[in-house]
Amino acid sequence: NAGVTQTPKFQVLKTGQSMTLQCAQDMNHEYMSWYRQDPGMGLRLIHYSVGAGITDQGEVPNGYNVSRSTTEDFPLRLLSAAPSQTSVYFCASRRSRTVEQFFGPGTRLTVL
Amino acid sequence: GQQVMQIPQYQHVQEGEDFTTYCNSSTTLSNIQWYKQRPGGHPVFLIQLVKSGEVKKQKRLTFQFGEAKKNSSLHITATQTTDVGTYFCAGGTRYSGGGADGLTFGKGTHLIIQP
Repeated sequence: NAGVTQTPKFQVLKTGQSMTLQCAQDMNHEYMSWYRQDPGMGLRLIHYSVGAGITDQGEVPNGYNVSRSTTEDFPLRLLSAAPSQTSVYFCASRRSRTVEQFFGPGTRLTVL
Repeated sequence: GQQVMQIPQYQHVQEGEDFTTYCNSSTTLSNIQWYKQRPGGHPVFLIQLVKSGEVKKQKRLTFQFGEAKKNSSLHITATQTTDVGTYFCAGGTRYSGGGADGLTFGKGTHLIIQP
């Protein structure tokens, strides 16, 4: 199993550009989440999904969209990038009725 | 909203010394999770505590959940260079808006080990 994979690893955008961060897992996990991590901060939840076709907002959803058309994939879309979205983005997944979240390797995003 | 505070922010220890990080919540928690993140890496789940006063051990790591379920600690005995990283706690409540798990993460404690 590859576990949780994220692409790209690094990305530089200009203010106003849009892009999609990819996340995929091959463990058949129902729950998937997107977090952002800023220097000196803990992880903050952006959006999450409890299954295909079901998504909901987390703590910091503004400026981001998600969809979950399959169990495996949970892409995060930045609609119009802003410098405040410069961060490291982690995708995580877990099986329902278990507690252990598995994190992907992260995407380091810089918005100029 | 719920706040989870973690202290200290940084901890320098000599290899072989013990290390403790503390986590305090502004509200009563239903559970608490601990994660480790190596420099440049991703968070790795360590454990979840659920019961008041619960103590769990993983080799040299001891995790405690307070009687009031508002605080927790992680203690590492005889640190090794492989323990280097940032240790995060994440407090869970059902209605915190923190997703399906209702988790709010602390800012973490950076453990720096001097050989």
